[in-house]
Amino acid sequence: KAGVTQTPRYLIKTRGQQVTLSCSPISGHRSVSWYQQTPGQGLQFLFEYFSETQRNKGNFPGRFSGRQFSNSRSEMNVSTLELGDSALYLCASSLDEGVSEQYFGPGTRLTVT
Amino acid sequence: AQSVTQLGSHVSVSEGALVLLRCNYSSSVPPYLFWYVQYPNQGLQLLLKYTSAATLVKGINGFEAEFKKSETSFHLTKPSAHMSDAAEYFCAVRYTGRRALTFGSGTRLQVQP
Repeated sequence: KAGVTQTPRYLIKTRGQQVTLSCSPISGHRSVSWYQQTPGQGLQFLFEYFSETQRNKGNFPGRFSGRQFSNSRSEMNVSTLELGDSALYLCASSLDEGVSEQYFGPGTRLTVT
Repeated sequence: AQSVTQLGSHVSVSEGALVLLRCNYSSSVPPYLFWYVQYPNQGLQLLLKYTSAATLVKGINGFEAEFKKSETSFHLTKPSAHMSDAAEYFCAVRYTGRRALTFGSGTRLQVQP
């Protein structure tokens, strides 16, 4: 099976702009989670989607949003970008919303200038 | 607050030496525990997981971890380090009633020739 794919891999944006990142889970996986990784804060949970519904949300401002489509693909959006949003954004998929393990994609490296 | 502690942000071993990376969690109820590895410019790869079956868990690439409830620990070991093991290792916990993974701050493993 193909792994989790994320597009684009690298992105450079300017402060104030918005950005959309995409994630395609492993075939058959219905749960998608997003994490932000920065040198200062480490890995932090953003949100999780299952069956097109947001099931859990981390402690991030409303500028961070996401959605999941009927084919389980997910997108996250960050509006009004700030310098501090520069990070590696990782998407993880899991089979269901139980205790199954999460498999991570390669991430999208976002740089805000 | 529920947390995960990884002792030692950097660990250096010689090739062929024992690898020991430490992880402690904070909960009276045993959670689900995971170890992930991250190579430069890549996402996270699952090494192994503990889900209340056997306390000694074997993973990929010769790694294993032992769950010790009395010590609230889940340390990662490998009998003989290889140069290719140089990477950053993350302990992650999924606490009861929570869906998101809580990550430790990571341990960067350096393997000296």
